[in-house]
Amino acid sequence: AQSVSQHNHHVILSEAASLELGCNYSYGGTVNLFWYVQYPGQHLQLLLKYFSGDPLVKGIKGFEAEFIKSKFSFNLRKPSVQWSDTAEYFCAVNALWDSNYQLIWGAGTKLIIKP
Amino acid sequence: DGGITQSPKYLFRKEGQNVTLSCEQNLNHDAMYWYRQDPGQGLRLIYYSQIVNDFQKGDIAEGYSVSREKKESFPLTVTSAQKNPTAFYLCASKGVGETQYFGPGTRLLVL
Repeated sequence: AQSVSQHNHHVILSEAASLELGCNYSYGGTVNLFWYVQYPGQHLQLLLKYFSGDPLVKGIKGFEAEFIKSKFSFNLRKPSVQWSDTAEYFCAVNALWDSNYQLIWGAGTKLIIKP
Repeated sequence: DGGITQSPKYLFRKEGQNVTLSCEQNLNHDAMYWYRQDPGQGLRLIYYSQIVNDFQKGDIAEGYSVSREKKESFPLTVTSAQKNPTAFYLCASKGVGETQYFGPGTRLLVL
């Protein structure tokens, strides 16, 4: 069965540290890849997405992610985090599932930034 | 303002009771989704609807039911058959580019 793995459930960093959140998926076909973010008390919202073209995609608030097809990975990065990046981050993969395209979600990573 | 609204924000259910969670969107999206969010488990798909008067079971449909009589509305009923209903429920609709747009969620608690 298709699955999405996020390696770290909790990450704690200090402000200005660099961030990398891992995301791996198991699906051999064409995929669309997403990172969503849920800030405390706010709606889940799209951070960035990859459909095709340049495998390095840039999103809002200085985030970027790189699609590495050979590694089935779509890791999220930010060179210098801020306290306001404290949130839960979800990786999701849009893949063919039971004859329909469905979003398959990772378990999420809670990121806490210490001021 | 275009978006998705969910009500109520908090809902309490007694044993043996059916409760209905509301989801409305004014984004003119055809596809709508219901997810359940539990700590450490990400989002799990309950039901989805690609178009009015049609819906499909997701991964964890048992104990839930939905209807899609109008494009704007996709209510979810948590029935008494759902033995572990305490969770955060998220409704979403799908727009251009496969992006899903989410409502603020409903937290269901069992008395």
